[in-house]
Amino acid sequence: DQQVKQNSPSLSVQEGRISILNCDYTNSMFDYFLWYKKYPAEGPTFLISISSIKDKNEDGRFTVFLNKSAKHLSLHIVPSQPGDSAVYFCAASAYYGGATNKLIFGTGTLLAIQP
Amino acid sequence: DAGVIQSPRHEVTEMGQEVTLRCKPISGHDYLFWYRQTMMRGLELLIYFNNNVPIDDSGMPEDRFSAKMPNASFSTLKIQPSEPRDSAVYFCASSPGVGQPQHFGDGTRLSIL
Repeated sequence: DQQVKQNSPSLSVQEGRISILNCDYTNSMFDYFLWYKKYPAEGPTFLISISSIKDKNEDGRFTVFLNKSAKHLSLHIVPSQPGDSAVYFCAASAYYGGATNKLIFGTGTLLAIQP
Repeated sequence: DAGVIQSPRHEVTEMGQEVTLRCKPISGHDYLFWYRQTMMRGLELLIYFNNNVPIDDSGMPEDRFSAKMPNASFSTLKIQPSEPRDSAVYFCASSPGVGQPQHFGDGTRLSIL
């Protein structure tokens, strides 16, 4: 039972263009969402988060959008840079409503930025 | 600032042997997490601690797996006896509190022959 789904295993984007990574979830109890980035042989690194009371959060080149009715979130990276090439994981938790610190991760999307 | 430190980075051992993975969380972080990453199941939570107390161990696959946190700066994940299907990358993470992002170590790549 995959509660957090990233349906695109990979994505290729030209340098300077926008990268859009998508994530869907099924559990309506989730109220906190995060994106992590992972390079080979390293641990995931936190990028950006959003709580369910917001529909958008922005940090520099990274913006996360949350559509609660569709149970969908997306990460926009603009402009895309070669260093953005990595695997991106979406994660979700019922932090506030469920009083848990447990994160459920998606399977990841490999983003390749082409020069 | 030192991040989450895991050791060893790589471990290769034979089936049936005991394996111990170690983790030092970021100082001041009250939560510690153990994850396993495999091709089949992705990144899955095994267990997490709050102030050295196990809170949720529902992800621990079976009794062969055990985790301890004897103090705020050290945790172990033990597999005894190990099996080839335990081969995976094991990550440790810590966070300062609920609703705070988790910070990951670089993982231990475990291979059971």
